[in-house]
Amino acid sequence: DTGVSQDPRHKITKRGQNVTFRCDPISEHNRLYWYRQTLGQGPEFLTYFQNEAQLEKSRLLSDRFSAERPKGSFSTLEIQRTEQGDSAMYLCASSLGSRFGAFFGQGTRLTVV
Amino acid sequence: AQSVSQHNHHVILSEAASLELGCNYSYGGTVNLFWYVQYPGQHLQLLLKYFSGDPLVKGIKGFEAEFIKSKFSFNLRKPSVQWSDTAEYFCAVNGFGNEKLTFGTGTRLTIIP
Repeated sequence: DTGVSQDPRHKITKRGQNVTFRCDPISEHNRLYWYRQTLGQGPEFLTYFQNEAQLEKSRLLSDRFSAERPKGSFSTLEIQRTEQGDSAMYLCASSLGSRFGAFFGQGTRLTVV
Repeated sequence: AQSVSQHNHHVILSEAASLELGCNYSYGGTVNLFWYVQYPGQHLQLLLKYFSGDPLVKGIKGFEAEFIKSKFSFNLRKPSVQWSDTAEYFCAVNGFGNEKLTFGTGTRLTIIP
């Protein structure tokens, strides 16, 4: 499968713990995005990388969230000191550019208990 | 700020019926427009996109959408739906050169055999 790959698919964690998610984009795509989706809503933009540079961050991305894309390949999204409100589906996508549309992975479903 | 409205939250149709899902956007500039589909248990998939040229765009699986600039609309259509079209449909927009996609809240489509 040459699509966007995310790991893990599901994560259950206790409030206050740190979690890290990984995303492997489509290999020729230099743009990588993180979105968050909650029940009944469309995906909400979190952050965007072009190659290894993080070029835009949403106000939704509090100080507890950090994302990296070392070497412009895979990306990680870390949430520190998780809260119940962080429970959501975290989606990664990649693209060749804004007019091409983004290709999404299966997502990581986070449940904070 | 850009926004997307999808007024139909849940649409129920019989097989072979014609489909039209509404999408209106708000953005003060040139836009790229997208429809995504999410089949049960699967990831978001790009159905079709518009960025320039013919305002009537055709996508996969017999879907099409028409961009009407004066109405800020990008409605999705299909002349004859099938049971396999049961899914959630999301309209999305980004501004020209802007990587951030803004999604609507989605329309759940149920096709009755």
